[in-house]
Amino acid sequence: AQSVTQPDIHITVSEGASLELRCNYSYGATPYLFWYVQSPGQGLQLLLKYFSGDTLVQGIKGFEAEFKRSQSSFNLRKPSVHWSDAAEYFCALRNNQGGKLIFGQGTELSVKP
Amino acid sequence: GAVVSQHPSWVICKSGTSVKIECRSLDFQATTMFWYRQFPKQSLMLMATSNEGSKATYEQGVEKDKFLINHASLTLSTLTVTSAHPEDSSFYICSAQAGQVNSPLHFGNGTRLTVT
Repeated sequence: AQSVTQPDIHITVSEGASLELRCNYSYGATPYLFWYVQSPGQGLQLLLKYFSGDTLVQGIKGFEAEFKRSQSSFNLRKPSVHWSDAAEYFCALRNNQGGKLIFGQGTELSVKP
Repeated sequence: GAVVSQHPSWVICKSGTSVKIECRSLDFQATTMFWYRQFPKQSLMLMATSNEGSKATYEQGVEKDKFLINHASLTLSTLTVTSAHPEDSSFYICSAQAGQVNSPLHFGNGTRLTVT
């Protein structure tokens, strides 16, 4: 079965501190993995994606993520968080049989001044 | 970049009435559209996948007679919530894909449905 798990429901970090959001997946083949961000009442914005190749992918807004096959993980990182980064973050896996996305439960990020 | 427009952004309706939500791809042809539902503080749950010109494929547990999906053209898909009940109140989000299976997905801004 295909699934995505985000172990942390809510994380609070101080502005300027580093951030890591965890994502683990279960999939029988090479996964296509994504990180999205959602502001309250809004749709989803793609931060970055991994299809193949370099396991460290760079995204928008200073985010990066590293694909680790041995750990079935695709953690999102940012070296210095800004107050505007406060939002809900979703990790997602793409089913290569039909293109549909399977989302994790989401991690709510709060940023302390 | 590719833009997906979802309308309305919010709607309030009375129990028993039907509500139609539109999802349009503004600058590309969407061969496939996906409809998701999101309850407060929860993740997005896929409701159905629709391909232009064919019947939608519904996920297990989603009532196809209640959530009618039409994808009549390459730029428009609609979701109609029929005989809405308060438990249908949710945030509905569409996403659109052009061309092949691995083409990027573009998301609308969602529709907040409140059934009173």
